[in-house]
Amino acid sequence: DIQMTQSPSSVSASVGDSVTISCRASQGISSWLAWYQQKPGKAPKLLIYASSNLQTGVPSRFSGSGSGTDFTLTISSLQPEDFATYYCQQASSLPLTFGGGTKVEIK
Amino acid sequence: EVQLLESGGGLVQPGGSLRLYCAASGFTFSNYGLSWVRQTPGKGLYWVSVISGSASNTYYADSVKGRFTISRDNSKNTLYLQMNSLRAEDTAVYYCAKGLGFGDLMVMDVWGQGTTVTVSS
Repeated sequence: DIQMTQSPSSVSASVGDSVTISCRASQGISSWLAWYQQKPGKAPKLLIYASSNLQTGVPSRFSGSGSGTDFTLTISSLQPEDFATYYCQQASSLPLTFGGGTKVEIK
Repeated sequence: EVQLLESGGGLVQPGGSLRLYCAASGFTFSNYGLSWVRQTPGKGLYWVSVISGSASNTYYADSVKGRFTISRDNSKNTLYLQMNSLRAEDTAVYYCAKGLGFGDLMVMDVWGQGTTVTVSS
């Protein structure tokens, strides 16, 4: 199975800040990576697929990059509604696996 | 609007069985793969199983293989997860999720609200 490791596990930031979350795969997955946002008590929401493709309706302040084993999710100009937990997921092979999550908290 | 609505969760004793349902609407059901993903309270996401649009292909996480069965009824736009020999570690919120594109089994673009399964004596 492909192991996904996210860092940091949590980050404190202020509205307007830029935040970068990292995700590393235990083996190369090309660009087969997705990012999800989850708010407390809610289902995950797809933000980005294929490493850098923004899902329809997702604000352009979210961006993704990377290929192979190292990926990043960047949120530029953090908004109040962005405080949530973010997960990466490899979409290269089954079983699908997720990172442990990164909680973005208000400073 | 694309919607997924899970039901069937509840409290069950270890060794017991439960069947989860996921009713879908707003898209051509048979064109899309569907997954079950679970989340332990306060913990991360764990993929459980996926089924192709035609139901010809199914895949499972090792931890549930032989105990859980995923199926679908394309005439009823409904996805199922039959869970047998349940263990305490199966306790979680179970989400059903739709594949992003036609035939996609790997990325999930729409998720249900989840149904809670508690395995305890």
